[in-house]
Amino acid sequence: GAVVSQHPSWVICKSGTSVKIECRSLDFQATTMFWYRQFPKQSLMLMATSNEGSKATYEQGVEKDKFLINHASLTLSTLTVTSAHPEDSSFYICSASHGQGTYEQYFGPGTRLTVT
Amino acid sequence: GDSVTQMEGPVTLSEEAFLTINCTYTATGYPSLFWYVQYPGEGLQLLLKATKADDKGSNKGFEATYRKETTSFHLEKGSVQVSDSAVYFCALSFNQGGKLIFGQGTELSVKP
Repeated sequence: GAVVSQHPSWVICKSGTSVKIECRSLDFQATTMFWYRQFPKQSLMLMATSNEGSKATYEQGVEKDKFLINHASLTLSTLTVTSAHPEDSSFYICSASHGQGTYEQYFGPGTRLTVT
Repeated sequence: GDSVTQMEGPVTLSEEAFLTINCTYTATGYPSLFWYVQYPGEGLQLLLKATKADDKGSNKGFEATYRKETTSFHLEKGSVQVSDSAVYFCALSFNQGGKLIFGQGTELSVKP
């Protein structure tokens, strides 16, 4: 149980275009979802926290107009990278929590974004 | 601010060797502590956790003890296997189901 999927697993886009990444909790309802960015050989950096039906809370230094997060249902959150540039190339990981008295977050496999 | 520091990798061991991956933290309160593992091509998985001082988390032969006096949560395993090759992340959190703060990760490679 507690499976989180991401789609696509990798994507290449041209500079200036937008790309959407989906994060789904497959067998549980995720009251909270998190979006992380991971650079090669480095840690996961939290970008934003989203609760179903609410606006996302962005970490300091993350541009909310560039990284649009929507958590429209208890099983789906999306991250849209708008007007992507090569410096946005990274590994994006989502996680989900059902928040029922547990600390555990369940992580998706990640999406590799390459902007050319 | 709150942070987690892990020993740098990569760590290369022979099968059946003893493993220690050091993790220390800086926190303004009393967080819960976690070890996550990321196998190649997969998402992070919770390996073990400890929610208060002196708690020992254990799973799959791995152990870590929450040491408040040294602000540490070192990961140990008595005899590693090739299948343990992965990246290991130490993390802390203050809230149930809330924000995680990760260390930089330590890559472990176990050779037969």
